[in-house]
Amino acid sequence: EAAVTQSPRNKVAVTGGKVTLSCNQTNNHNNMYWYRQDTGHGLRLIHYSYGAGSTEKGDIPDGYKASRPSQENFSLILELATPSQTSVYFCASGDLGIQDTQYFGPGTRLLVL
Amino acid sequence: GEQVEQLPSILRVQERSSASINCTYENSASNYFPWYKQEPGENPKLIIDIRSNMERKQIQGLIVLLDKKAKRFSLHITDTQPADSAMYFCAASGGSGGSNYKLTFGKGTLLTVTP
Repeated sequence: EAAVTQSPRNKVAVTGGKVTLSCNQTNNHNNMYWYRQDTGHGLRLIHYSYGAGSTEKGDIPDGYKASRPSQENFSLILELATPSQTSVYFCASGDLGIQDTQYFGPGTRLLVL
Repeated sequence: GEQVEQLPSILRVQERSSASINCTYENSASNYFPWYKQEPGENPKLIIDIRSNMERKQIQGLIVLLDKKAKRFSLHITDTQPADSAMYFCAASGGSGGSNYKLTFGKGTLLTVTP
């Protein structure tokens, strides 16, 4: 299975503060994704990327930025964190081609006070 | 974009019986349909998938059926065990442009298998 790692695994932030969540994959996948998971909403796509230098808006991008400085790394940035952004965040990577699929990282629990 | 509806949201079955989860999608161009299992505190893990060139796929006790005309796909777990208790998500991807690169998920089914 593909190796996707996230840091930090747990984070407590204050309202109005800046939060950066990091994701790394070592399988040379072109595409990377950031989701948040909340009870009753399932997995919702925030931002995704086709490759280094590219970022695309997902279904719920407001309040979030993304950065893909390299093939391996994809960051999610909350410039001004709010309590409504308290959630579990999953990074994923994958190439949805003929042979491949999407693999999730272990998740980051973010609490915004 | 794609919309995926998943039912039921909660499913409770007795050990050794079967469990079935159904999903429908809107985009007739969708061509890839994975299923993920998520245990408490863990990340979603792929358990089985099917592509649009197939109607049925089985991996041990997991069966996936795809009906492209009805835009419906389903997961059937045979001979359930308590270890099958978890949240299950269906997803769909495919079609034109950016939708080919991303999955749209259903909202999940919480399966409980009782002894």
